[in-house]
Amino acid sequence: QQQVKQSPQSLIVQKGGISIINCAYENTAFDYFPWYQQFPGKGPALLIAIRPDVSEKKEGRFTISFNKSAKQFSLHIMDSQPGDSATYFCAASRGYSTLTFGKGTMLLVSP
Amino acid sequence: NAGVTQTPKFRILKIGQSMTLQCTQDMNHNYMYWYRQDPGMGLKLIYYSVGAGITDKGEVPNGYNVSRSTTEDFPLRLELAAPSQTSVYFCASSITQGSWQPTTEAFFGQGTRLTVV
Repeated sequence: QQQVKQSPQSLIVQKGGISIINCAYENTAFDYFPWYQQFPGKGPALLIAIRPDVSEKKEGRFTISFNKSAKQFSLHIMDSQPGDSATYFCAASRGYSTLTFGKGTMLLVSP
Repeated sequence: NAGVTQTPKFRILKIGQSMTLQCTQDMNHNYMYWYRQDPGMGLKLIYYSVGAGITDKGEVPNGYNVSRSTTEDFPLRLELAAPSQTSVYFCASSITQGSWQPTTEAFFGQGTRLTVV
């Protein structure tokens, strides 16, 4: 049973465009929703995270939008750059439990 | 600070061979994890540890063993390698103050690419 569903699997965006990646979760007890960024040959690294007491969190060009009633959250990358080309993973956890990851989205930003 | 260090970076094993993937962290984190990453499948948790001497199974533990004798080290053992264990393995660590504290950032190593032939 996949507890965190991520879409799309892959995404191509032109430089300067907006990249949007979506995730849906099933467990209403989840209370921590991070996004990880992974470059080829590297380990994932935390990009931005949100807790369910807010509906949006912004850090630079990266924004998480959170919809508790729909059990969905999304990552928006504004003014996408070629350097943003990477694989992005959403994840969720409850309390001090381990993270459950989505299957990942390969983002390619074309110059 | 080195963070999370994994060795080796690459390894080719023959079916039935054994090996240990090494992981060490220098951040004094209490939680450590082993994940495997297969194309299009995300990160699946193999084993994790909440502190020295304490380990627990994750989603895909079969064919693997772990131990945690120190805070710093969390090796992953493959006893009888099978082609299904061909994957990229990531070790990670995080700090949690206690059962009442929420999950915090997990720091990942660079990964070990393992091929079983």
